[in-house]
Amino acid sequence: GNSVTQMEGPVTLSEEAFLTINCTYTATGYPSLFWYVQYPGEGLQLLLKATKADDKGSNKGFEATYRKETTSFHLEKGSVQVSDSAVYFCALTEANDYKLSFGAGTTVTVRA
Amino acid sequence: DAGVIQSPRHEVTEMGQEVTLRCKPISGHNSLFWYRQTMMRGLELLIYFNNNVPIDDSGMPEDRFSAKMPNASFSTLKIQPSEPRDSAVYFCASSFGTAKRGYTFGSGTRLTVV
Repeated sequence: GNSVTQMEGPVTLSEEAFLTINCTYTATGYPSLFWYVQYPGEGLQLLLKATKADDKGSNKGFEATYRKETTSFHLEKGSVQVSDSAVYFCALTEANDYKLSFGAGTTVTVRA
Repeated sequence: DAGVIQSPRHEVTEMGQEVTLRCKPISGHNSLFWYRQTMMRGLELLIYFNNNVPIDDSGMPEDRFSAKMPNASFSTLKIQPSEPRDSAVYFCASSFGTAKRGYTFGSGTRLTVV
């Protein structure tokens, strides 16, 4: 079956530091990959996505590249801000599926 | 569009009482999902509907939980009777077509059963 494994948190960083959150996946076909972000007290929001190998998703300074050879979709940001403090979820779906499979989530705290 | 709307935002109830959570999906979306989030278990899919029909309810914990979608613009998740272990944040999400387009989540209902 499909599954997503995320780097365990929590992660604590200083402002302007570099952030990487690792995500690897297992899938039977050619999945689409996503990163969702959950700010305190809110629902999950789509941050970025990639639908095929070597695609790069990007939004709000975050990037992730779909690497089929390593079955990975690591999230990166070059310079984090306090406002990036949130829980980040990696997710995947197979073609023509209605369901998303989510990772466990990684809590990121950025200190001023 | 106002997004996915959930009500209430917070609910505190006594053990044994019936609880009803409500969700209004985005207009035009044809899939609706109910999730539960806890510290211990993370994000769990409870049930999902496609075109108002329940497709997969394998995540519903037990018979105390039930969900309905009487029309394209409204869904409920009911717990009867409620228990303290049901305390969690319950999210509703909707999408159009397959999950490849991504989901839109509501802000959630924080349920506390005392």
